Amino acid sequence: AQKVTQAQTEISVVEKEDVTLDCVYETRDTTYYLFWYKQPPSGELVFLIRRNSFDEQNEISGRYSWNFQKSTSSFNFTITASQVVDSAVYFCALSKETSGSRLTFGEGTQLTVNP
Amino acid sequence: DTAVSQTPKYLVTQMGNDKSIKCEQNLGHDTMYWYKQDSKKFLKIMFSYNNKELIINETVPNRFSPKSPDKAHLNLHINSLELGDSAVYFCASSQVWGVTEAFFGQGTRLTVV
Repeated sequence: AQKVTQAQTEISVVEKEDVTLDCVYETRDTTYYLFWYKQPPSGELVFLIRRNSFDEQNEISGRYSWNFQKSTSSFNFTITASQVVDSAVYFCALSKETSGSRLTFGEGTQLTVNP
Repeated sequence: DTAVSQTPKYLVTQMGNDKSIKCEQNLGHDTMYWYKQDSKKFLKIMFSYNNKELIINETVPNRFSPKSPDKAHLNLHINSLELGDSAVYFCASSQVWGVTEAFFGQGTRLTVV
């Protein structure tokens, strides 16, 4: 069975602070994929990144960066110099190769960035 | 143009009624899904369709019946609505039945009273 754990239910920071959202996953598959999605207050789900289990390189996209470590089964997400518009619920998700984009989601982390 | 669109955005109805939620994607994707987000914001897959064929039914009650008239549409019909069906329902699509990113609609907030 697959499982994704986001232990941080809520995080509150002040604008311009860096913040890291933790994601720990469990799977017995050797090939799997990890995702991050953002759900702003307006409610839609926005795709941020997909990473496959073969690629442990860290990724940076503007103020966003992701740290994938198979040794600790973690796929953490860091926002540098946070902004108020980053306030949202962030979901980490996992999919195995044979199940298409059927995603197993974590519980989500509510990030609030205060001015 | 909206890539994955759902209608309606809000739906309030009484227990026992039957209702439908429509979903359309204009991305040319082969695969479509329904997810349910409960009051605690937990997201769970309900159905997966590939090329109009049901691939996965995640032990959803029979009262929920998805229908895919073509690859671009996946509708969700719910019979005999119950209070516990209140949730946000998301439609999503992905390019192929492989692991590619899924793109989500804006969600339909269903409230059963």
